[in-house]
Amino acid sequence: SQKIEQNSEALNIQEGKTATLTCNYTNYSPAYLQWYRQDPGRGPVFLLLIRENEKEKRKERLKVTFDTTLKQSLFHITASQPADSATYLCALGGDSSYKLIFGSGTRLLVRP
Amino acid sequence: EAEVAQSPRYKITEKSQAVAFWCDPISGHATLYWYRQILGQGPELLVQFQDESVVDDSQLPKDRFSAERLKGVDSTLKIQPAELGDSAMYLCASSSYGLAARSSYNEQFFGPGTRLTVL
Repeated sequence: SQKIEQNSEALNIQEGKTATLTCNYTNYSPAYLQWYRQDPGRGPVFLLLIRENEKEKRKERLKVTFDTTLKQSLFHITASQPADSATYLCALGGDSSYKLIFGSGTRLLVRP
Repeated sequence: EAEVAQSPRYKITEKSQAVAFWCDPISGHATLYWYRQILGQGPELLVQFQDESVVDDSQLPKDRFSAERLKGVDSTLKIQPAELGDSAMYLCASSSYGLAARSSYNEQFFGPGTRLTVL
């Protein structure tokens, strides 16, 4: 069955550093991968999408890479800020139903 | 900015009771999703609508859960009877998938969710 793995342990970093989150998947060939941010008690918010034929995508301080050979996506936040503290979810999609399959998320804590 | 509306935000009920959640998607969004999210896990799709039709309800426990989107706009998710294991966040999302000129990669917009506690 399809499986998405995100680091279940929280990532704790110092303000100003680069945060790198990992999303690995098996038994799936997604056409695209999305990253969402979720704050406690709130719904996820879409951040970035990367297609299978793209290696890298950037948006302001965010960068996403997508390696379909390794079946892995990396999500980077440069110059991190305490306001970046949240849970980050990756989601895979691409079949005809446009259904998204979500990972369990990684919690990021940025210390001031 | 347009948002997905959900109500209630919180619901506490006793097991065996009936509960209902309401969702109003972003205007013009043809696709509506109901997800369940257990604490510490990612959202799990329960049901997907395209306009008023169900596209995917393979993970919906149909013996107790039902969902409808009668006019292809707002939607209701019902649980009857509720069980202790149903305690979770219930999220509604919408997307413009189906309007090819807008989005073909299914960016989803989520509502604030309904936190259900079953006692």
